[in-house]
Amino acid sequence: EAGVAQSPRYKIIEKRQSVAFWCNPISGHATLYWYQQILGQGPKLLIQFQNNGVVDDSQLPKDRFSAERLKGVDSTLKIQPAKLEDSAVYLCASSSIRDRAYEQYFGPGTRLTVT
Amino acid sequence: GENVEQHPSTLSVQEGDSAVIKCTYSDSASNYFPWYKQELGKRPQLIIDIRSNVGEKKDQRIAVTLNKTAKHFSLHITETQPEDSAVYFCAASNALRRGYQKVTFGTGTKLQVIP
Repeated sequence: EAGVAQSPRYKIIEKRQSVAFWCNPISGHATLYWYQQILGQGPKLLIQFQNNGVVDDSQLPKDRFSAERLKGVDSTLKIQPAKLEDSAVYLCASSSIRDRAYEQYFGPGTRLTVT
Repeated sequence: GENVEQHPSTLSVQEGDSAVIKCTYSDSASNYFPWYKQELGKRPQLIIDIRSNVGEKKDQRIAVTLNKTAKHFSLHITETQPEDSAVYFCAASNALRRGYQKVTFGTGTKLQVIP
């Protein structure tokens, strides 16, 4: 099966600019996660969708970050305006509620550099 | 919420020796514990996982043990090889009744296998 797709792979922006990331999960996976991974740290969950509904966004800085999954398939994560501390890799992952329901499959990530 | 602590943060072993990484978690409701390997610049990949109804699981050179009473779990790699060098993350998950889970990652262990 095809894996989780993300784009772009790299992005460099100046602080106060806006940026958007896109994720297409594995076909049929109902759960989609966005993680922020700062260099040298573990992934931190930003937001989690079950189909097109948000089930956890407790760690999403809502004053500048937003995410949507309108049709319950692909998703976009937006940062507006970006800060220097947003420099990180943004990982998208998906999982299925069938079979190995707990296993997350990660995309290649988008490396964001804010200057 | 869940808090996962991981030790050590760095680990160097001679090729052929064993490596042990330990994690503790705080939420007694956590019931799924995956371990991920992340090579430099790449996505996290699941290497082994264990559910709370099992005390130990082994897959070739890799094993995981779980002590629910003490709320800790460990990754054991035997006969280490240079290609085992990577960052390893533990995680704890609480698979909720509605079919989705909340995953909390540890801070990572950088393993270096010296030839």
